[in-house]
Amino acid sequence: ETGVTQSPTHLIKTRGQQVTLRCSSQSGHNTVSWYQQALGQGPQFIFQYYREEENGRGNFPPRFSGLQFPNYSSELNVNALELDDSALYLCASSLGGASGSRETQYFGPGTRLLVL
Amino acid sequence: DQQVKQNSPSLSVQEGRISILNCDYTNSMFDYFLWYKKYPAEGPTFLISISSIKDKNEDGRFTVFLNKSAKHLSLHIVPSQPGDSAVYFCAAMSGSNYKLTFGKGTLLTVNP
Repeated sequence: ETGVTQSPTHLIKTRGQQVTLRCSSQSGHNTVSWYQQALGQGPQFIFQYYREEENGRGNFPPRFSGLQFPNYSSELNVNALELDDSALYLCASSLGGASGSRETQYFGPGTRLLVL
Repeated sequence: DQQVKQNSPSLSVQEGRISILNCDYTNSMFDYFLWYKKYPAEGPTFLISISSIKDKNEDGRFTVFLNKSAKHLSLHIVPSQPGDSAVYFCAAMSGSNYKLTFGKGTLLTVNP
């Protein structure tokens, strides 16, 4: 069974650029959540995708967007990068449903983004 | 406004002794709580969870206690081992909302 994988591991961008981060969910999982972890902070929820639809969103601006594909892998896109977007971006997969369940979220190793 | 608070940034314990990590929450809608462990350069790893209908859940060396009236939970690790050295995050969920709300974490160091 393959765990959650993320690519790339590290990325350096400049302010104003756009970035795409990728996540492959654990085998059998249909739900992907994205979190941003700034230095010294806990992970903060960005949004969640269930069966290719956004299933909830945290307090992040619209320039943070996502996609989920039929194989349940996912992308996080960030437009017009700002210095404060520098953080570790974590993807978590779970076997969930829009009606709600308590399935554990399993995290990938993250992508560390530095915006200069 | 932090809804999940871990007030101790760090904790140092001797090998073989008990480690107690604390977490407080303010949102009374939270009804499911989890602890994750994170090593450097890795994602958080799920440790143990507890539903608000319970006050204790145990899994091997790890026990989580929940005091709903005080809005407080704690993670006990007995006996502590050097491999337990990591950052521990407390997280909470409410209802059918999958969003995990995390604390800032506590760095546990277990000394041999």
